[in-house]
Amino acid sequence: KQEVTQIPAALSVPEGENLVLNCSFTDSAIYNLQWFRQDPGKGLTSLLLIQSSQREQTSGRLNASLDKSSGRSTLYIAASQPGDSATYLCASYSGGGADGLTFGKGTHLIIQP
Amino acid sequence: EPEVTQTPSHQVTQMGQEVILRCVPISNHLYFYWYRQILGQKVEFLVSFYNNEISEKSEIFDDQFSVERPDGSNFTLKIRSTKLEDSAMYFCASSGRTGNSNQPQHFGDGTRLSIL
Repeated sequence: KQEVTQIPAALSVPEGENLVLNCSFTDSAIYNLQWFRQDPGKGLTSLLLIQSSQREQTSGRLNASLDKSSGRSTLYIAASQPGDSATYLCASYSGGGADGLTFGKGTHLIIQP
Repeated sequence: EPEVTQTPSHQVTQMGQEVILRCVPISNHLYFYWYRQILGQKVEFLVSFYNNEISEKSEIFDDQFSVERPDGSNFTLKIRSTKLEDSAMYFCASSGRTGNSNQPQHFGDGTRLSIL
């Protein structure tokens, strides 16, 4: 059974810093890995999806990497802003059909102005 | 940009009552999902639905739960006899505009279900 872990559970940094959020998964036989943002009391906003054949995906100030062999993914946020404050979730997809995502517990990120 | 919409945003129900949570997935998506998130815990997969039938379900999705796509736009989750432990945020998601299972899943804002 797939297990997804995110470290750290919480992170607080000053505005402008670059930062890295970590995600690890136990079963490397994944189809893709998706990063989400969750604001308090809100739904999940999809940020990036990396296919199993890819090493990186970029969107604006966000860059996600995937190393299947080591069971790791990272989300890099450049030049952080207070509006980036949220909980960031990673989720792996292992099913060949319509199986669900397996989520980590998230990293609660606070960007100090 | 197209989005998944869920209603109601908050549902309060007495224990033992039936509840129906409603979702309108993104138009032309083919795969539909329900997830739940108990306060302070991980988002958990409940069930996936494709081609008008359940494709996969987790051990959480027992006989008290059912899903239905009653028309071409709505996707519902029914809990037959609610328990206190059903209190959670329930998220609907959809994916696969082209039927490709490697498409991202897009989530709604959720329905907060409170069982009294």
